[in-house]
Amino acid sequence: NAGVTQTPKFQVLKTGQSMTLQCAQDMNHEYMSWYRQDPGMGLRLIHYSVGAGITDQGEVPNGYNVSRSTTEDFPLRLLSAAPSQTSVYFCASSYAGVAKNIQYFGAGTRLSVL
Amino acid sequence: KNQVEQSPQSLIILEGKNCTLQCNYTVSPFSNLRWYKQDTGRGPVSLTIMTFSENTKSNGRYTATLDADTKQSSLHITASQLSDSASYICVVSRNYGGSQGNLIFGKGTKLSVKP
Repeated sequence: NAGVTQTPKFQVLKTGQSMTLQCAQDMNHEYMSWYRQDPGMGLRLIHYSVGAGITDQGEVPNGYNVSRSTTEDFPLRLLSAAPSQTSVYFCASSYAGVAKNIQYFGAGTRLSVL
Repeated sequence: KNQVEQSPQSLIILEGKNCTLQCNYTVSPFSNLRWYKQDTGRGPVSLTIMTFSENTKSNGRYTATLDADTKQSSLHITASQLSDSASYICVVSRNYGGSQGNLIFGKGTKLSVKP
């Protein structure tokens, strides 16, 4: 059972570089989302998707783009990396109606921006 | 303001001892409350999910309680093991349609179990 798979596990970027964090799930979940986790703070929602072709902004969307061309994949793009984006990023998925259903998280991508 | 507060921030206990973690929330309209366990370097994993009508729910040595009147929840760990060392995150869900932006996360309690 793969569940939610995130790649890469670690990444170091220089300021201004761009990259894509990959997220894939094999549970046929409609909902997918991206969070960042910083020391001393709760998980914060970046972007989410309620289904293929539909995305929306969360609490902290600036500097990030997403797309959802398939049910399985939900990549997160950093357009021009900044040191403030140094964080651990988690992708999560759930059945429709995330308010009532459990989320399944990936193992995370640890990103450092120098 | 919708908030979830967890206490203590961190806790150290000896292996075999019991402990209780607290979660207070000011979230409305309330849908459910979840407890997640997050091992170091891993993503959160669901332990329990409780709705308004549920007072207690167990998952092995983990027992969660919910008092919807006082808006408090606790997670009790019995006979702790070294593998219980992790952060425990309380998440409250708002009953506000299907939007993703309805999950309010606490900052977590970091538990260390020492031999």
